Amino acid sequence: NAGVTQTPKFRVLKTGQSMTLLCAQDMNHEYMYWYRQDPGMGLRLIHYSVGEGTTAKGEVPDGYNVSRLKKQNFLLGLESAAPSQTSVYFCASRWTSAGSQYFGPGTRLLVL
Amino acid sequence: GENVEQHPSTLSVQEGDSAVIKCTYSDSASNYFPWYKQELGKRPQLIIDIRSNVGEKKDQRIAVTLNKTAKHFSLHITETQPEDSAVYFCAASRTGTASKLTFGTGTRLQVTL
Repeated sequence: NAGVTQTPKFRVLKTGQSMTLLCAQDMNHEYMYWYRQDPGMGLRLIHYSVGEGTTAKGEVPDGYNVSRLKKQNFLLGLESAAPSQTSVYFCASRWTSAGSQYFGPGTRLLVL
Repeated sequence: GENVEQHPSTLSVQEGDSAVIKCTYSDSASNYFPWYKQELGKRPQLIIDIRSNVGEKKDQRIAVTLNKTAKHFSLHITETQPEDSAVYFCAASRTGTASKLTFGTGTRLQVTL
């Protein structure tokens, strides 16, 4: 039981490049979330999903897209990376809306 | 939407002393309040949570209290140890299909010898 995993662990992009971050969970959780964490800003929600095939915007969705084609996977895409997207990205999941939420190990992204 | 404020932003205590971190929330419909501990370079880890039908919950040296009327909740750590040094985040959410946690901005706790 791996819990929540994220790929890749670290990535460097040039401005304008695109990439996809993968989050996978093996706990059969319905709810999945993408956050970004910046110094002094806490955890800010980018997008989330309440089940397979669904997505919704969070607090800071601009510049990002997501997809949840399979229940166990939640993908976060950056179509045209900008230096302001330099951050640590955490994925999280929970079984129900009232359940405990568990985080993945994070992806450190540097946009030059 | 929900707004969660957390205080203090930094807290330094001596080993063996107690530490208290406080959070307030704005949405009276929020009914789930977890606390996370994040060590440097690591993921946030759930350490304790409380639901709105309970006023206090303990787990060894940590406890959380909830005051629904005042809309605030607190984390209490007793007999602090150096390994308690980390950033602590509170959060709040309501149940339902659009459920999502709103986090406080974190408290950096340093336990000195």
